[in-house]
Amino acid sequence: GEDVEQSLFLSVREGDSSVINCTYTDSSSTYLYWYKQEPGAGLQLLTYIFSNMDMKQDQRLTVLLNKKDKHLSLRIADTQTGDSAIYFCAEVGYSTLTFGKGTMLLVSP
Amino acid sequence: EAGVVQSPRYKIIEKKQPVAFWCNPISGHNTLYWYRQNLGQGPELLIRYENEEAVDDSQLPKDRFSAERLKGVDSTLKIQPTELGDSAVYLCASSLTGGLSYEQYFGPGTRLTVT
Repeated sequence: GEDVEQSLFLSVREGDSSVINCTYTDSSSTYLYWYKQEPGAGLQLLTYIFSNMDMKQDQRLTVLLNKKDKHLSLRIADTQTGDSAIYFCAEVGYSTLTFGKGTMLLVSP
Repeated sequence: EAGVVQSPRYKIIEKKQPVAFWCNPISGHNTLYWYRQNLGQGPELLIRYENEEAVDDSQLPKDRFSAERLKGVDSTLKIQPTELGDSAVYLCASSLTGGLSYEQYFGPGTRLTVT
């Protein structure tokens, strides 16, 4: 079945880059997503990447996809305190999303 | 444009009591999802609707959970009777069917506490 794994916690200083990693199992996934969840809120779609792409950049966000290793990463440049949240990686299978457990990003001043 | 609306935001009930959650999706989104998010976990799909038809309810515990989406717009998720293990955040999401990216837009969720 589908499974998505993420590291649980990342702590960085404001201004540094953050890299959140994810591995997935479904090689037929057409899209892979990154969602952000702030405390007490629903999930907000940050970005996505199509499976035939290696990289996608969107302002401070860079997504890298290694399809051979089924590895996805999200890089946040110039991390700000407002980026503190839980970040979920998700893959699409049969028109539904399978989420990882989330990575809590803590940004300290 | 209004996002996905859910109510109530919080609910505290005693076990064995029934509870219902309501969701209003983004206008024009014909696909609606209910997820359950346990503490420290990612959301897990309970049921997916295409218009008024439940097309994937394989993960819905049908002995106590029920859902409906009359007229293919608003949806209600019900639990009867509740158990302590039902404490979680219940998230509703919507999307355009056939969209290129299956983008789902989430509501803020209903945090259920069963005592």
